[in-house]
Formats: sequence, C-alpha cells, structure tokens
Amino acid sequence: AQSVSQHNHHVILSEAASLELGCNYSYGGTVNLFWYVQYPGQHLQLLLKYFSGDPLVKGIKGFEAEFIKSKFSFNLRKPSVQWSDTAEYFCAVSSYGNNRLAFGKGNQVVVIP
Amino acid sequence: GAVVSQHPSWVICKSGTSVKIECRSLDFQATTMFWYRQFPKQSLMLMATSNEGSKATYEQGVEKDKFLINHASLTLSTLTVTSAHPEDSSFYICSATGPRGGGSYEQYFGPGTRLTVT
Repeated sequence: AQSVSQHNHHVILSEAASLELGCNYSYGGTVNLFWYVQYPGQHLQLLLKYFSGDPLVKGIKGFEAEFIKSKFSFNLRKPSVQWSDTAEYFCAVSSYGNNRLAFGKGNQVVVIP
Repeated sequence: GAVVSQHPSWVICKSGTSVKIECRSLDFQATTMFWYRQFPKQSLMLMATSNEGSKATYEQGVEKDKFLINHASLTLSTLTVTSAHPEDSSFYICSATGPRGGGSYEQYFGPGTRLTVT
C-alpha cells in the first residue's frame, strides 16, 4: 500500500512570499498524483493532478507541482501567495489502474496579510 | 460539471441510534464511490470503496456491520452508521469517479457530513 508524507504541517507566510510544500510517496510503480485544497469551511477541491507527460504540472490559482520520479516526490509551489491561499493542502497518490487514493496528513497554510 | 453532493451536511444523534448519510453524483454517473472519515486536524482516511450493484470493499480496521454502505444506483451511495457512539463523531466525506479511459482516475469530493453523537 502507498504511504504519503507531507512535512511541516503548519506553515505561516506573509503575502507575496513563495510557498513550497513537500510530498513524498512510497509506491514504486506508476502513480497518479494529486494536490487538493480545503479552504476553511469548504470541501476538497482539486488544485492539480499528474497522470503522465510533462512532469511540471500547472494547476488553478497559480499553483504548480513537479513530479520527480527518482525522488518519489510531487512538491507543490506557488511563487507569490495571497491571503486567500490560507487553507489546508493535501497530497494524494493512487497507483495506476487503482482508483483508491492515499492521502498525506496535510499542510495547514496561513497567509498573513 | 462533476458535482457531488451529500445530505445531510450535519447531524446530531443520540448514542445507540443509526444515521444515514447520502452521497449523490449530480451530473455524471459514478461507477465508483468512496467513503472517507476525517478527524479534526488530520487527513482523510479511506473507509470503503463502493461499486454500483456490488458489495462495498472495506479498508482494514473498518467494521462492516457498523458502517453499512449501499450503492444502489449510479448516482447514489449511502453510508449508515449503525448504533452510533460518541467515538463515531467525525466528518464523513464521500467522493465519486466517473467513467475514465485507461488506468487514471480523478475523484470528485462531496462537501462532507459532520456527525456528532451525544
């Protein structure tokens, strides 16, 4: 079974700072990778996903993530955060052909105006 | 497109009673639905996978007789928490996948149901 690691559970940033959230997974085969965001009081929304192709994936709201297969990583980045990016961010992984998702523990990101 | 709803959004029940939570895919046919549980400040834990017309597959450690899942149609799955106890209080989230080509799937999440057992 896959396991997903997210470090630095609590992140506090000022507006305009850059954000990078790490995600590492343990599965050695072909994977599908996701980043979800959960704004306060709202449901999970997909930020971006990687199935195949270009390992640099661009998502909504200026987020991007890079799949580095050799490092089993799928780190999320945003060059300049806004107050509205305050949310919890979850990395999730499924193995190719299997639709079950394994989630990381999440990163609580607080952006200070 | 790809909207998933849940009902109710929150429910309070007494210990020993049963509670049913509905998950609906509003604009697509969901061949598979998933049920998750989320504790405060923690991640989502997959409870079970539900395929239309067949029995649900439960994750290790999840009691089948306590968490009854029914997926009677391509747009509706229900989770019934039987004989609920305070430790069952949690946030229950469903998700759904539609028909996809190949082996890559995307799940669409519902807004969740907050269950409080008193």
